[in-house]
Amino acid sequence: GAVVSQHPSWVICKSGTSVKIECRSLDFQATTMFWYRQFPKQSLMLMATSNEGSKATYEQGVEKDKFLINHASLTLSTLTVTSAHPEDSSFYICSASPAGSTDTQYFGPGTRLTVL
Amino acid sequence: GESVGLHLPTLSVQEGDNSIINCAYSNSASDYFIWYKQESGKGPQFIIDIRSNMDKRQGQRVTVLLNKTVKHLSLQIAATQPGDSAVYFCAENLTSGGYQKVTFGTGTKLQVIP
Repeated sequence: GAVVSQHPSWVICKSGTSVKIECRSLDFQATTMFWYRQFPKQSLMLMATSNEGSKATYEQGVEKDKFLINHASLTLSTLTVTSAHPEDSSFYICSASPAGSTDTQYFGPGTRLTVL
Repeated sequence: GESVGLHLPTLSVQEGDNSIINCAYSNSASDYFIWYKQESGKGPQFIIDIRSNMDKRQGQRVTVLLNKTVKHLSLQIAATQPGDSAVYFCAENLTSGGYQKVTFGTGTKLQVIP
């Protein structure tokens, strides 16, 4: 149980285009989902926290207009990288916390984004 | 912005030996700590956790030690196996006003020598 999926696993896009990444909790309802970014040989950096039905809370330095997060249901959150640039190339990882277990995070497998 | 050009510290261990991975955390108010294992190209995998009211917790082949005085966390892996090769991250969790934030440490790469 407690499986989180991400789609796509990897994506290559041209500079200036937008890319949407989906994060789904497959067998539980996630009241809170988190989005992280990880550059090569570095740690995970929290980008934003999203609660179902409300606006995401972004960490300092993360542009909310560039990284659009939607948490429309208890099993799905999406991250859209708008007007992507090569420096946005990274490994994006989501995690989800079940209702009633807010300090438990189940991580997705990550999405590798490459912007040409 | 993010730091550039970092290299993960690496711990090389002979197969069968015990491994100890250390981590310093930053916030004395953090109340929950987790160790994750991350294999190349994959998301983090939960290994073991410990709450701030404990100083030791054991799992299968793994033990986590927490020293709140010096804000230090360690992960001990007994009888290290090749499949343990990965990057290990500690994470500190701070819960405040119903909002929680998890901060990951810099990570340690464990290389198991067969």
